[in-house]
Amino acid sequence: NAGVMQNPRHLVRRRGQEARLRCSPMKGHSHVYWYRQLPEEGLKFMVYLQKENIIDESGMPKERFSAEFPKEGPSILRIQQVVRGDSAAYFCASSPKDEQFFGPGTRLTVL
Amino acid sequence: KQEVTQIPAALSVPEGENLVLNCSFTDSAIYNLQWFRQDPGKGLTSLLLIQSSQREQTSGRLNASLDKSSGRSTLYIAASQPGDSATYLCAVLNNNDMRFGAGTRLTVKP
Repeated sequence: NAGVMQNPRHLVRRRGQEARLRCSPMKGHSHVYWYRQLPEEGLKFMVYLQKENIIDESGMPKERFSAEFPKEGPSILRIQQVVRGDSAAYFCASSPKDEQFFGPGTRLTVL
Repeated sequence: KQEVTQIPAALSVPEGENLVLNCSFTDSAIYNLQWFRQDPGKGLTSLLLIQSSQREQTSGRLNASLDKSSGRSTLYIAASQPGDSATYLCAVLNNNDMRFGAGTRLTVKP
């Protein structure tokens, strides 16, 4: 059973471009969480999704950020019109119920 | 609002020592508490998960305790090794929101 997969591992974007981060949960896991780790800061919860539903997006900025977890395929975290402050490591975690298993993260750099 | 604090922020010990990492949280109405390890530039590895009804969990040289009423958890590492060097994070789950501490950066010197 492969672990949580995230791609790309590194993503470089210029200001104003769009960033799309993908997360494939572990087999059998229907819960996906996205977190952001800013330089020199801890991990911050962004959004919790189950298949085709956003359960809790209280940690996600209201503008430019969106997330989805379609019936088929990976979960996507989308950041529109990126700014330098979006540079961070973005982690997703999947869970069958309680314990969360983390992916290796995507490191986004905005030039 | 749940706040999670980890003490110390950094710890350096010689190989072979036993050590304790501390985690405290302000809202005791947690669903579970999880300890993670993060290596530089890498993702998180789950070490131990303690449900709110449990008091401790053990895995190999690691033992984690939970005292929900006082809002505290400890991670005990026995006979530390250089390979244990990493940042250790505790996280508590309330409803759907997992809150992380800032971590303890552990260095085990050979």
